[in-house]
Amino acid sequence: DTEVTQTPKHLVMGMTNKKSLKCEQHMGHRAMYWYKQKAKKPPELMFVYSYEKLSINESVPSRFSPECPNSSLLNLHLHALQPEDSALYLCASSQDRTVTGADGEQFFGPGTRLTVL
Amino acid sequence: AQRVTQPEKLLSVFKGAPVELKCNYSYSGSPELFWYVQYSRQRLQLLLRHISRESIKGFTADLNKGETSFHLKKPFAQEEDSAMYYCALDLSGGYNKLIFGAGTRLAVHP
Repeated sequence: DTEVTQTPKHLVMGMTNKKSLKCEQHMGHRAMYWYKQKAKKPPELMFVYSYEKLSINESVPSRFSPECPNSSLLNLHLHALQPEDSALYLCASSQDRTVTGADGEQFFGPGTRLTVL
Repeated sequence: AQRVTQPEKLLSVFKGAPVELKCNYSYSGSPELFWYVQYSRQRLQLLLRHISRESIKGFTADLNKGETSFHLKKPFAQEEDSAMYYCALDLSGGYNKLIFGAGTRLAVHP
């Protein structure tokens, strides 16, 4: 299996809701990422997990809470979001760069399109 | 500061014409650069990485450290090349941090 899968494809939530985005890969990658992509803009890195530990948090508001329960799964828990958080949320995975021979390619999922009302 | 600049939002050419998508970077370390492509209704995917010096779908890109550039070129554009192209800088030194340029939309007309 050489794909990153994300669920759900679409999500509409109110500002008081709690929801979660899920991401899964079975390529044996030990680095996983969350990106946010607004319309007509490039992906912006939010979080990086390396060997199931959070290694980079790009000053993301605490209403976004990542979780990496095992090496294949990555969640993004959402709570008290704002309308400006509406965007496409992309998950990606790669070999960890500390691994000899890792070439840095990131494999992206199709994204979850989030709308906050 | 690390930065990737793609000066053109849109590049419009006719089929068979040469294409050059510009990318310049700013980084004090040893850069690792990539071109990612997003075709309509498809996921973002890797097109080229500078370390492999390969040609994919007729595209090539050469890292020019003197000019801090990594321009993407193809001698004869095809309609199926129409897509969004992102230049990306991977910070070296054990990081897994990818910084994207703003992207260039390539439109190839028949």
